[in-house]
Amino acid sequence: AQSVTQLDSQVPVFEEAPVELRCNYSSSVSVYLFWYVQYPNQGLQLLLKYLSGSTLVKGINGFEAEFNKSQTSFHLRKPSVHISDTAEYFCAVSYILTGGGNKLTFGTGTQLKVEL
Amino acid sequence: DAGVIQSPRHEVTEMGQEVTLRCKPISGHDYLFWYRQTMMRGLELLIYFNNNVPIDDSGMPEDRFSAKMPNASFSTLKIQPSEPRDSAVYFCASSREQGYNSPLHFGNGTRLTVT
Repeated sequence: AQSVTQLDSQVPVFEEAPVELRCNYSSSVSVYLFWYVQYPNQGLQLLLKYLSGSTLVKGINGFEAEFNKSQTSFHLRKPSVHISDTAEYFCAVSYILTGGGNKLTFGTGTQLKVEL
Repeated sequence: DAGVIQSPRHEVTEMGQEVTLRCKPISGHDYLFWYRQTMMRGLELLIYFNNNVPIDDSGMPEDRFSAKMPNASFSTLKIQPSEPRDSAVYFCASSREQGYNSPLHFGNGTRLTVT
């Protein structure tokens, strides 16, 4: 079965510092990778996605992620965080089902807390 | 576009009562998903529909849970009878296609508390 592991449940960081949120996946087939962000009392929003091509993907709000096939990782990074980045971040993997269609599996989330 | 609309935002009910959660997907989106979010289990896919037809309900916890989509603009998730362990945030999401290239658009969720 496919799975997504987010190693850190919480990441505290000071404003303007860089941050990396880690994500690893397990899959024996081709996958497509996503990061979603959830602000308090809201649903999830797509931050960025990797489908193919360049392994460095840029998303909204200055975030980027790098796909590393050999390490089966898709870590999310931002060079300088802002207070407004405080939210929960979910890594997700989509894989093609043998019967057609695809299924999106989410990690358990990482709470990013930006402090002054 | 108003986005995915869920109601109510909060629901508090007593054990044994029937609970109905509602969702209006984005117009033109053919896929609708119901997710449940808890601290212990994270985000779980309960069921999804394609063109109003349920495709995969393997995530529905038990027979107490049922979901319907009578038309392209409305879906319900019903729990009868409700139990305290059903307390969670329930999200509805829609997408234009099921393909990986079509992102999910989430509603703001319904926070259910069963006492």
